Amino acid sequence: AQSVTQLDSQVPVFEEAPVELRCNYSSSVSVYLFWYVQYPNQGLQLLLKYLSGSTLVKGINGFEAEFNKSQTSFHLRKPSVHISDTAEYFCAAEGGGGTSYGKLTFGQGTILTVHP
Amino acid sequence: DTGVSQDPRHKITKRGQNVTFRCDPISEHNRLYWYRQTLGQGPEFLTYFQNEAQLEKSRLLSDRFSAERPKGSFSTLEIQRTEQGDSAMYLCASSRRDSLTGELFFGEGSRLTVL
Repeated sequence: AQSVTQLDSQVPVFEEAPVELRCNYSSSVSVYLFWYVQYPNQGLQLLLKYLSGSTLVKGINGFEAEFNKSQTSFHLRKPSVHISDTAEYFCAAEGGGGTSYGKLTFGQGTILTVHP
Repeated sequence: DTGVSQDPRHKITKRGQNVTFRCDPISEHNRLYWYRQTLGQGPEFLTYFQNEAQLEKSRLLSDRFSAERPKGSFSTLEIQRTEQGDSAMYLCASSRRDSLTGELFFGEGSRLTVL
């Protein structure tokens, strides 16, 4: 069974500072990994995904994440945040090989608050 | 692409009552999912449809829960004899016909409060 752990429930940061949101996963099989973002009063939307290939993946709004198989991590980073990045971020995993068809295991979420 | 829509957005009910939520997926998506999200937690998978067939159900989905997708378009999630522990946000998502991954498009959710 998979599990996803987001190591920080809240991350406060000042505008234009870099940020890293940490995510670790546990799985006995290969996985697909995702970061979703939820802005206030909106549905979750996909930020980026890792399926295979390059371990550094780039997403929307300047975010990127690095897949580290040895550390079973998939941390999300942005070099310079904006006020508009304030939202809740969810890391998620799906069993690889295309067999789980959208059955995602989510982490608990990290609330990113960007202060002016 | 009008997005995934859910109705109602908010529902307050008394314990023991039945409630029904509706989800309209993106029109060309043949897969539809229901998730539940409680306060301070990430979404948890409940069930999944491919067209009208319900292919998987989580153990979280007790006998009081039933989901349908009769014509392979919209879906309903009914909760019978609601309990206070059912209070949560119920999320619907859909995915592209040819997608083999968890790239889901979520609705804004239906928030249930059971008094």
